[in-house]
Amino acid sequence: GQNIDQPTEMTATEGAIVQINCTYQTSGFNGLFWYQQHAGEAPTFLSYNVLDGLEEKGRFSSFLSRSKGYSYLLLKELQMKDSASYLCAVRSWALADSWGKFQFGAGTQVVVTP
Amino acid sequence: GAVVSQHPSRVICKSGTSVKIECRSLDFQATTMFWYRQFPKKSLMLMATSNEGSKATYEQGVEKDKFLINHASLTLSTLTVTSAHPEDSSFYICSARSSGNKYNEQFFGPGTRLTVL
Repeated sequence: GQNIDQPTEMTATEGAIVQINCTYQTSGFNGLFWYQQHAGEAPTFLSYNVLDGLEEKGRFSSFLSRSKGYSYLLLKELQMKDSASYLCAVRSWALADSWGKFQFGAGTQVVVTP
Repeated sequence: GAVVSQHPSRVICKSGTSVKIECRSLDFQATTMFWYRQFPKKSLMLMATSNEGSKATYEQGVEKDKFLINHASLTLSTLTVTSAHPEDSSFYICSARSSGNKYNEQFFGPGTRLTVL
């Protein structure tokens, strides 16, 4: 089985930095994804890590440590539109799909205040 | 690119009726599609994995006779909730994956809000 833990909610001010942590336990690890989801909308892809280290993509960065079962998503220069839920998803090998299936965390609601 | 649509976006039905939800990949061929269910402020729960032309693989605890999945083409999968009951009310999201995109990530549809009265 897999357990994916991330904080329920975080609040930060516009222009600040927020770090969302995600810890997981899994067998057959095949990548960790971060998605952004606005209420009532589809999740949209933000980042992907499969090797240890930091991946930077504009204002968003994601870090992975496979030995620790740990990842974080870093949001810099926060904007009001960044208020959303951020989902940590772990992909693991599965018979049903050659690329594996996702298990999602419950999501972290980020609230950006003026 | 990589757009996934779902129809309908919202549906309200009476208890005991069946509801069909369509998921389409608009600009790519989806070899694999996934169906999720999401409760308010909860994570997406994978219901089943669907490969084109073969039977869906259901997750433990998901009734295959209750949630019928058909993936007849590379751009369309359908989920039919049979004999719906109020406890089936939820947000249903599909996703699609194609071979060849950089991370083999899943692209999500906008979701369908099902309310069973």
